[in-house]
Amino acid sequence: GEDVEQSLFLSVREGDSSVINCTYTDSSSTYLYWYKQEPGAGLQLLTYIFSNMDMKQDQRLTVLLNKKDKHLSLRIADTQTGDSAIYFCAESKGRANYGGSQGNLIFGKGTKLSVKP
Amino acid sequence: NAGVTQTPKFQVLKTGQSMTLQCAQDMNHNSMYWYRQDPGMGLRLIYYSASEGTTDKGEVPNGYNVSRLNKREFSLRLESAAPSQTSVYFCASSENRDRYSPLHFGNGTRLTVT
Repeated sequence: GEDVEQSLFLSVREGDSSVINCTYTDSSSTYLYWYKQEPGAGLQLLTYIFSNMDMKQDQRLTVLLNKKDKHLSLRIADTQTGDSAIYFCAESKGRANYGGSQGNLIFGKGTKLSVKP
Repeated sequence: NAGVTQTPKFQVLKTGQSMTLQCAQDMNHNSMYWYRQDPGMGLRLIYYSASEGTTDKGEVPNGYNVSRLNKREFSLRLESAAPSQTSVYFCASSENRDRYSPLHFGNGTRLTVT
């Protein structure tokens, strides 16, 4: 199918690392994105990775991409209470599938990260 | 630089009433989108406009209409609101080049239909 899959909940203690996992479907996707949604707000682009990369690091964030397994992960080091939010994985559709009823990005249902002090 | 602006932020309607949700972007983006977000359902695309002058149905278009008024503005209309349309509505925009084209979201309109 065309679903992007994520686990719905993750709970960690402050200071620990968080790892949010995602599986996607379109092997021709060029970009994969992570969005963050804080309570009462819209989605903000957190980071992205191009499909020819295996890893991307940006301060406390590390994105790992396994193209063979179509698996994407977001690691947050030294997780803080301010990181509590819903995290969405999204894949860009391959050229052949651009547009259609899902537009140009397919979103997962989001992982709610709770950080306990 | 405001990004994507949605109005209103909150709205309560009675069943059968109509209303229009407004969205404007100041990033000179070509594409604009309307999503709804419901608990456990994630984001679902209602309509989108790949470029000025075009609109296309998304996954859940029934009960909605859209207008791409100009490059900046994309409105969503509920002609006869139903309780099933109680949701949080997000407008988004993107450059829509066929490469790196993330979506930029507004802060949402929280709609309750009684």
